[in-house]
Amino acid sequence: NAGVTQTPKFQVLKTGQSMTLQCAQDMNHEYMSWYRQDPGMGLRLIHYSVGAGITDQGEVPNGYNVSRSTTEDFPLRLLSAAPSQTSVYFCASSYTGARFGKLLFGSGTQLSVL
Amino acid sequence: GENVEQHPSTLSVQEGDSAVIKCTYSDSASNYFPWYKQELGKGPQLIIDIRSNVGEKKDQRIAVTLNKTAKHFSLHITETQPEDSAVYFCAATQARGSTLGRLYFGRGTQLTVWP
Repeated sequence: NAGVTQTPKFQVLKTGQSMTLQCAQDMNHEYMSWYRQDPGMGLRLIHYSVGAGITDQGEVPNGYNVSRSTTEDFPLRLLSAAPSQTSVYFCASSYTGARFGKLLFGSGTQLSVL
Repeated sequence: GENVEQHPSTLSVQEGDSAVIKCTYSDSASNYFPWYKQELGKGPQLIIDIRSNVGEKKDQRIAVTLNKTAKHFSLHITETQPEDSAVYFCAATQARGSTLGRLYFGRGTQLTVWP
C-alpha cells in the first residue's frame, strides 16, 4: 500500500539507551521530515531532507541524528535517550517540484523514555 | 525562524454552525500556508492550503483566507458536522523554489461539534 510507514508504533526506552525510528515511503517523494508532537506544543520539526544525501536541521534537532542514503528511507536516531524525548514522533513526506506541498504523514511512533 | 500563533486552543460549536480558526505568522517571507486535520490516534492530514499569491481558497465547506499585510490567515468551516471534530493545525513556511523547507506549525485547535 502506498504511503508512509513508521516502525515501531510504540517503544519504551531507559535513559541513555539508543534506538532508531524507521520511516519508509514508496511514492518516490524527494522531501522527507521528522516531527515530534507534545501536548499543547503542536508539531515541531526535528530534521528534514530534500533528497538522498541531503539533510538539514529543523527547530529542535538536538539529541537526534538523521541520514538519507536512499529516496525511500529516512531513519531518525536517538543516540542517548533522555526523558525529555518522550513524545509522539511523526515522519512525513512530500513531492518537490510542481507538486510540492502536500505533506503525507505516517501513523506515528509513541516513545517513552524512563 | 518563523513563529506561528494559533487561536483559539479549543472551540465548541453546534452542528450546522460555522467555525473559524485564526493564525498569525512572523516571517514576511513565508509564502505557503497549509491546514491539517488530526483525528485521534492518527497522523495529521492536509485539508486545504493557500499560497501567498492568492487571497482566498475554497473547497466545499472549507475555506482559507490570507492577509499578507497583517500576516494572518484563517480557516473557515461552514455547516459543521460531528465528523469535523478533530484537532486542526495551521502552518507556514518560506517555500524555497519548489520544496517545503522548514514547515512551522501552530499549537493546534481542538474543535468539537455537538449534535
